[in-house]
Amino acid sequence: QVQLIQSETEVKNPGASVSVSCKASGFSFTAFFIHWIRQAPGQGFEWIGRINTNTGATNYAQKFQGRVTLTRDTSINTAYMELNTLKSDDSAIYFCARGHSRVYFTFESWGQGTLVPVSS
Amino acid sequence: DIQVTQSPSSLSASVGDKVTITCRTSQNVNNFLNWYQQKSGKAPSLLIYSASTLHSGVPSRFSGGGSGTHFTLTINNLQPDDFAVYYCQQSSMTPLTFGGGTNIEIK
Repeated sequence: QVQLIQSETEVKNPGASVSVSCKASGFSFTAFFIHWIRQAPGQGFEWIGRINTNTGATNYAQKFQGRVTLTRDTSINTAYMELNTLKSDDSAIYFCARGHSRVYFTFESWGQGTLVPVSS
Repeated sequence: DIQVTQSPSSLSASVGDKVTITCRTSQNVNNFLNWYQQKSGKAPSLLIYSASTLHSGVPSRFSGGGSGTHFTLTINNLQPDDFAVYYCQQSSMTPLTFGGGTNIEIK
């Protein structure tokens, strides 16, 4: 079955960077986009961006442009999100999600989430 | 950015009830509107995409409707497993945006 397994909790200080991984299994990795979305505690969702796992091309929400980098390693079916210059309001659960097989910009399967608290 | 507004933000209902949640977008998104269910401490799961298409494995008591800027999610015969938070999300244009959620609680 489709699985997206994310890396564990990362506690960070303001100004630091965080890298979150998302290992895929149960489907052809390079046939689907991987999206990244975050959810601040008790808050709604924010879409960060997506990566074409076949070509490596990326699209970022303007809010995160210049501060986020999405990459992938097709040899190990893993996608990565790096977020730089962390601030306290970046504290959130970060999710990866697989794009839908037929409908663009729809999240068909989700990882379990990675908690990233940012605090001094 | 397209603003997405859900109502109500919470509601109390009983098993067997019919509930309807509304989602409005600030611009016409045609039928590019999805619904997700999130249970406490878990990742969301896709319920409905393209406004009215039931995702594989989702019970038929869930249904979606609407187009343009006004959408609804209806749950018939509410079951104990349905008490959760529901979110809508527009997939018309980036940045993709979500509603604020509707928490369905047990009455």
